[in-house]
Amino acid sequence: AQTVTQSQPEMSVQEAETVTLSCTYDTSESDYYLFWYKQPPSRQMILVIRQEAYKQQNATENRFSVNFQKAAKSFSLKISDSQLGDAAMYFCASLEYGNKLVFGAGTILRVKS
Amino acid sequence: EAGVTQFPSHSVIEKGQTVTLRCDPISGHDNLYWYRRVMGKEIKFLLHFVKESKQDESGMPNNRFLAERTGGTYSTLKVQPAELEDSGVYFCASSQGNLAYNEQFFGPGTRLTVL
Repeated sequence: AQTVTQSQPEMSVQEAETVTLSCTYDTSESDYYLFWYKQPPSRQMILVIRQEAYKQQNATENRFSVNFQKAAKSFSLKISDSQLGDAAMYFCASLEYGNKLVFGAGTILRVKS
Repeated sequence: EAGVTQFPSHSVIEKGQTVTLRCDPISGHDNLYWYRRVMGKEIKFLLHFVKESKQDESGMPNNRFLAERTGGTYSTLKVQPAELEDSGVYFCASSQGNLAYNEQFFGPGTRLTVL
């Protein structure tokens, strides 16, 4: 079965600095997708970034980028130039064939001004 | 375009009572999912509807949980009778299409507290 592990329950970053959130996963499939979701306090969870496992190039969305290490089954999220609005719970998730997402336990990100 | 909506946002009930959660997906989305996050733990998949049919209900914890999606539109998740361990946040998500991957759009969740 798929598993996703986020080993950092909480992280802090100074505004304008860079922070990296860690995620490891386990799967027996060769084709799968990986995601980072963001859930701001009392708001809906939204997709931040997506990575297809067959693509070697790391995904990037503006200030958000991933470091996808397929052999190591690692999928970290880097947030550059952190902003106060980045403060949220971040979930790493994976998806194999089908549509069932498997989530990690989440990392709370605090941004200090 | 309206997003996924869930009702109620919060529910506090006594052990043994019944609670029904509702999810309205994005219009036109055939796929509807229920997930649950028990305090401090991972968000876990409960089940997946394609239109009105249950595609995958492997995550449903036991027969106290009943999900329906009449007419392939909104869905309800009923817990009867509720137990203390059912407390958590219940998320609904929807997606369109039948590709290998379809982005899931999440609702704000219903926070259920069983006392």
